[in-house]
Amino acid sequence: SQQGEEDPQALSIQEGENATMNCSYKTSINNLQWYRQNSGRGLVHLILIRSNEREKHSGRLRVTLDTSKKSSSLLITASRAADTASYFCASARAGNNRKLIWGLGTSLAVNP
Amino acid sequence: DADVTQTPRNRITKTGKRIMLECSQTKGHDRMYWYRQDPGLGLRLIYYSFDVKDINKGEISDGYSVSRQAQAKFSLSLESAIPNQTALYFCATSDSVGRAFTGELFFGEGSRLTVL
Repeated sequence: SQQGEEDPQALSIQEGENATMNCSYKTSINNLQWYRQNSGRGLVHLILIRSNEREKHSGRLRVTLDTSKKSSSLLITASRAADTASYFCASARAGNNRKLIWGLGTSLAVNP
Repeated sequence: DADVTQTPRNRITKTGKRIMLECSQTKGHDRMYWYRQDPGLGLRLIYYSFDVKDINKGEISDGYSVSRQAQAKFSLSLESAIPNQTALYFCATSDSVGRAFTGELFFGEGSRLTVL
């Protein structure tokens, strides 16, 4: 079963606004990754944040990680219609039973 | 050309038929994976392979088998397809740097399978 959880499940904003998506996980992790999926297409890796990092930036993306709360957030600033997609978090579980645990995704619609 | 190529992209078949989904990659990665994606269930790992002689079951391997024919090729077979195997299937690769399941995944475009 999937242990990662994103919220909200769906988000609709206007172009130019910021979009924030959250991800929670349940076990200790090595890192947490965010992926993007355009409708019916393959997933594309956006950013990876390690367990000893608190914040990471890539272009208009900002990811934070709070290991005490077992949560991460993805912020997309100045959103564009082309950002319309589903966004997934995947937490790389630490320990002997290594596994990548996927969330169910946030569907983002950016309206022009 | 795509780094991870899946064929076929779409397939409609009938219950009981044997189906093979193929994946080839030009990234030079040792690690390859097969996932299925279902609405509301997210991505689930079917099988994975960390080199040519290594095959491992994932979360939902029942009803599936795989073959790692070469470093660049990893195929998924459904020996006798059933309707609840209707899903979007993804092949993915990752490099061998770092611990297992910690690296970035590179996905193919997916194979949409419908079993009637």
